[in-house]
Amino acid sequence: GAVVSQHPSWVICKSGTSVKIECRSLDFQATTMFWYRQFPKQSLMLMATSNEGSKATYEQGVEKDKFLINHASLTLSTLTVTSAHPEDSSFYICSASRGRETQYFGPGTRLLVL
Amino acid sequence: QKEVEQNSGPLSVPEGAIASLNCTYSDRGSQSFFWYRQYSGKSPELIMFIYSNGDKEDGRFTAQLNKASQYVSLLIRDSQPSDSATYLCAVNKGGGADGLTFGKGTHLIIQP
Repeated sequence: GAVVSQHPSWVICKSGTSVKIECRSLDFQATTMFWYRQFPKQSLMLMATSNEGSKATYEQGVEKDKFLINHASLTLSTLTVTSAHPEDSSFYICSASRGRETQYFGPGTRLLVL
Repeated sequence: QKEVEQNSGPLSVPEGAIASLNCTYSDRGSQSFFWYRQYSGKSPELIMFIYSNGDKEDGRFTAQLNKASQYVSLLIRDSQPSDSATYLCAVNKGGGADGLTFGKGTHLIIQP
């Protein structure tokens, strides 16, 4: 149990376009979902925390108007990178939790902005 | 600012030996401590978590926590080549309900 999926696994887009990444908990209802970003040879950095039906909480330095998060149900959260630029190229990873337990990570989405 | 520190390595250990990975954290309010393994190009996978001072064992893995010293460690017994990966230490205040602060990870190499 506790499987988290992400789609797409890879995306290449042109600068200025928007990209949507989906995160789904497949076999459990996630009370909270998290979005992380990892640049090459760096560790994971928390971008935002989202709870179903409420606005996401963004970490300091993360632009909420650029990284739109929608947590429409207990099994689905989406991250939209708006007007993507090359510096947004990164490995985006979501995680989901079901309360007190730890977080389960999705396989990640690699974004390359040309 | 919350910080989690790890030696980046690489840490080279012979097959069959014990690998010892260390981590320190700055936020004394941290309550939950996690070890993740990350293979190159993949997302992290949970090895184990620990909430209380002392040792916690799970198979070949033992996590050790000392809150007074703000120190967490992971021991891997009978190291296998497949254990070669980057090991990430992560902490938070609220278990699954709180975002994780990660260290930069220790690159572990198990030599056959």
